[in-house]
Amino acid sequence: EAAVTQSPRNKVTVTGGNVTLSCRQTNSHNYMYWYRQDTGHGLRLIHYSYGAGNLQIGDVPDGYKATRTTQEDFFLLLELASPSQTSLYFCASSPGTNYEQYFGPGTRLTVL
Amino acid sequence: GDQVEQSPSALSLHEGTGSALRCNFTTTMRAVQWFRKNSRGSLINLFYLASGTKENGRLKSAFDSKERYSTLHIRDAQLEDSGTYFCAVRTGGYKVVFGSGTRLLVSP
Repeated sequence: EAAVTQSPRNKVTVTGGNVTLSCRQTNSHNYMYWYRQDTGHGLRLIHYSYGAGNLQIGDVPDGYKATRTTQEDFFLLLELASPSQTSLYFCASSPGTNYEQYFGPGTRLTVL
Repeated sequence: GDQVEQSPSALSLHEGTGSALRCNFTTTMRAVQWFRKNSRGSLINLFYLASGTKENGRLKSAFDSKERYSTLHIRDAQLEDSGTYFCAVRTGGYKVVFGSGTRLLVSP
């Protein structure tokens, strides 16, 4: 069965802090995605990647960097966290763009 | 831009009853995916449809690309069905657009 894991599950940091969110998938999927989900909104795409070393900009990329180190691992980096980045972050993977996406359990980030 | 409207925004059901959630699109979409976000915040895949209908237990989903909508029917609702339901539509390439969700509360 498809498996996407995220760590940490919860994170609290202060304004200006440096945060790294991790995502690992064991599906051998090429595509991985980072989304944020805020109350009253659907998920919004931050960055995505179609393979190790590749990075594509999503719809709300400002304030975020990402890195895909291997096929399995995709990281989201907040180098100067701001309170507006308090959100629930989901990672997902898919075999390709025309396939369903499999989501991780989410990481709740609070920036004080 | 591409728009996805979900309705209703909130829904209350008594156990054993049913209802339908709807997702309307402004342009032709290639596929739709339905999720439930549970009380722990995890996203659970429910359905992925490129056309037609799918059924799984008490849930049934339909996708009509030509008429630009998808529905999710819940029958015999149970307490554990409570959560926020999202539809997400694939427009082409990497682009997936999410609806804003329907908050479902099932009560005894």
